[in-house]
Amino acid sequence: KNQVEQSPQSLIILEGKNCTLQCNYTVSPFSNLRWYKQDTGRGPVSLTIMTFSENTKSNGRYTATLDADTKQSSLHITASQLSDSASYICVVSGTSYDKVIFGPGTSLSVIP
Amino acid sequence: ETGVTQTPRHLVMGMTNKKSLKCEQHLGHNAMYWYKQSAKKPLELMFVYSLEERVENNSVPSRFSPECPNSSHLFLHLHTLQPEDSALYLCASSQGRTSVNEQFFGPGTRLTVL
Repeated sequence: KNQVEQSPQSLIILEGKNCTLQCNYTVSPFSNLRWYKQDTGRGPVSLTIMTFSENTKSNGRYTATLDADTKQSSLHITASQLSDSASYICVVSGTSYDKVIFGPGTSLSVIP
Repeated sequence: ETGVTQTPRHLVMGMTNKKSLKCEQHLGHNAMYWYKQSAKKPLELMFVYSLEERVENNSVPSRFSPECPNSSHLFLHLHTLQPEDSALYLCASSQGRTSVNEQFFGPGTRLTVL
């Protein structure tokens, strides 16, 4: 069964600290993995996309890694800001157009 | 802004009401989607339209009825909903329907069914 799991479910960190969010998946065959950021009351916005051959991708203070062998990805946030408070969703796509599996998300709260 | 707008942003309706959600994309995309997002659950794909033709319907109850009059507009008609239908309804669009194409999401409509 194609699944995407994320951990932790929620996380609270102090402003300025780093954090890492995890994503494990069983989607096969694999095409790509995206991390989305969803602010409260808004739709998700794509942060990064990685294909099978890529193992790291950065977007400002966000760095995503992918280990296609172990089917794991992480999203590392450096020097967190209050505006980073949001839900982060891992989305894994198979090679078939209809295989887009959303994870449940990690809720991140950055506090002063 | 992502180029995808949704109205209304908030909607409260009774179980006997009929209402419609509207989505408009200004990106020139040819595929549009409806998703349901309930608390603590992953996004659930409801409907997919490609070139104005419905190509996917994920076993959604008939009380939800989509309409895609052209490639820029998508509606979700609601009637005789249940309280468990309360959720955030998200519209998205993409250029093409392959899995590599990024979907751009609207801000959603927060629906409450009393």
